[in-house]
Amino acid sequence: EVHLVESGGGLVKPGGSLRLSCAASGFIFTSYNINWVRQAPGRGLEWVSSISPRSNNIYYADSVKGRFTISRDNAKNSLDLQMNSLRDEDTAVYYCTRSHWYYYYMDVWGKGTTVTVSS
Amino acid sequence: DIVMTQSPLSLPVTPGEPASISCRSSQSLLHSSGYNFLDWFLQKPGQSPQLLIYLGSNRASGVPDRFSGNASGTDFTLKISRVEAEDVGVYYCMQVLQTPYTFGQGTKLEMK
Repeated sequence: EVHLVESGGGLVKPGGSLRLSCAASGFIFTSYNINWVRQAPGRGLEWVSSISPRSNNIYYADSVKGRFTISRDNAKNSLDLQMNSLRDEDTAVYYCTRSHWYYYYMDVWGKGTTVTVSS
Repeated sequence: DIVMTQSPLSLPVTPGEPASISCRSSQSLLHSSGYNFLDWFLQKPGQSPQLLIYLGSNRASGVPDRFSGNASGTDFTLKISRVEAEDVGVYYCMQVLQTPYTFGQGTKLEMK
């Protein structure tokens, strides 16, 4: 069965750092783009970042560019999101998703991990 | 950035009745492949979003055939032929033609 499991969320002070991870199983990891999508409390969905199968194409939302870094380890079927200089507005549930390598639709979502930025 | 505008934002529906959600993009989502890069998701209460429709009109695996999607230029529609209780939640459209990928505001479907 296909699974994406996020971990690493927690409470962090403004200006702090956090590293999220996503463990994939049940599918050929190197055939898919992997993405992070977040949802602030009571709000809608916001795309954060995407990485292609061989890591040659990486994209970020303007709101996180320069502060967040996405990376993947194809040998371990895992994905990371290093988040630095965190702000209150980064508080959200962060979902790991997989998407088709060419058509980009996100067909599998993890259950999410919660990041709270607060002093 | 491509702006996605959904309507209505709230949709009370009687079980068994049809429902329709509109999504308009600020520019064409037509890819060189001939497909519209527009997807629909449903987020049921307390759950992660799930893919319903991809490439404008293709039902995702396991999605009941009462759900359908269509496109006309920059206007996209999600239709439910007969709403069931399990369909409650928030529906989102999303464009994946170009980054930043963008979502509509969401349409909350609830039972009357």
